[in-house]
Amino acid sequence: EVQLVESGGGLVKPGESLRLSCATSGLTFSNVWMSWVRQAPGKGLEWIGRIKTKIDGATIDYAAPVKGRFTISRDDSKSTVYVQMNSLRTEDTADYYCVTEIHYHYYMDVWGRGTTVTVSS
Amino acid sequence: QTVVTQEPSFSVSPGGTVTLTCGLNYGSVSSDYYPSWYQQTPGQAPRTLIYNTNRRSSGVPDRFSGSILGNKAALTITGAQADDECDYYCVLYMGRDIEVVFGGGTKLTVL
Repeated sequence: EVQLVESGGGLVKPGESLRLSCATSGLTFSNVWMSWVRQAPGKGLEWIGRIKTKIDGATIDYAAPVKGRFTISRDDSKSTVYVQMNSLRTEDTADYYCVTEIHYHYYMDVWGRGTTVTVSS
Repeated sequence: QTVVTQEPSFSVSPGGTVTLTCGLNYGSVSSDYYPSWYQQTPGQAPRTLIYNTNRRSSGVPDRFSGSILGNKAALTITGAQADDECDYYCVLYMGRDIEVVFGGGTKLTVL
């Protein structure tokens, strides 16, 4: 069974940084694109970015609201994906989910349970 | 700016059929956008229902089906049940960078 477990969420002040991790199991991680999706309190889902596999160039794509502030990376030896979030803003407050992305059918497949990030002074 | 449109809310009677739609603020939705659908109950992670327009994800009952209706993607729930009452999101893949764009979600009430 594929499992994704996010960690690293917490309470930070505006302008501070945080790194989220997503540990995976039950899949051949190096073959899987990984995405991050967030959900602000009471709001809808928002894709923030993805990292492709090494064989696909390990290309990273970001959504406009986080480009230049967030950095997604992966460690295939640890089957883990990360998102480094810098210059955090109050509007980054959300639940953050990591998701496997099936690139040959273009959809998001298995979701983690999420980790909560609160940005507040 | 690309906006994926969904009905903010919808209601259906138990046992009834409902069709939720997913459009674009410009142009038509086609299978080229690989529409997919996700279900989310409050406080839970989303669950994948439909991908590639009309393929059901593993374990999803056949009460859920996807299609293209006119110029929109559509999710049809047949024989609605009480636990279908939750939020439904569609996703379209856009552009050269295959950006993932979520619709605003539809809150479905079963009553």
